[in-house]
Amino acid sequence: QLQLQESGPGLVRPSETLSLTCSVSGGSMGGRGYYWSWIRQHPGKGLEWIGYIYYTGSTYYNPSLQSRVTISINTPRKQFSLKLSSVTAADTAVYYCARDSLRQLYYYSMDVWGQGTTVIVSS
Amino acid sequence: DIQMTQSPSSLSASIGDRVTLTCRASQSISSYLNWYQQKPGKAPKLLIYAASTLQSGVPSRFSGSGSGTDFTLTISSLQPEDFATYYCQESHSTPQKTFGGGTKVEIK
Repeated sequence: QLQLQESGPGLVRPSETLSLTCSVSGGSMGGRGYYWSWIRQHPGKGLEWIGYIYYTGSTYYNPSLQSRVTISINTPRKQFSLKLSSVTAADTAVYYCARDSLRQLYYYSMDVWGQGTTVIVSS
Repeated sequence: DIQMTQSPSSLSASIGDRVTLTCRASQSISSYLNWYQQKPGKAPKLLIYAASTLQSGVPSRFSGSGSGTDFTLTISSLQPEDFATYYCQESHSTPQKTFGGGTKVEIK
């Protein structure tokens, strides 16, 4: 069964770059019909999609974060990563990685999630 | 951009109650609608995709309906483990993804 696990620093200083990695186990990353996503959740708030990457390296980002976000993938190592630059306190959140899967030819849904990792931006 | 609005933002219900949650899209999204359940301190869990298809392993007391702009998630008989926050998410504007603000289901 596919599992995802986020890792990275829990504390990042303002203006620096947040870097997280999602490790995939129990399956491969190279299949068609799967996008590898990052989502975040501010304290006590709802879910915000950050962006995703395809196994080919194609990326799509939330326009509100696009200027600061980079998502990359390393399929042999079964990892994908998130970098968010110039962070502020507003980037304090729980960060999740997830698999976005194609169903019934047309429908995408996030069917596997990591447990989430808390990142606090503070000096 | 498509906006997703969930109502109510919270509700109180008793064990055994039939509960209906609503999600409205700012424009037609056909059936490109997913529902997730999130418990405190846990990751979201996919319940329903394509508006009405139950994810494998999800109890049959959960059902989804709707198309276009108006969608509902129904829990036919509320169980103790169902107290959680529920989010809808549209996948029509792929690659962009948008979640609703959530509905918190609490114990009456």
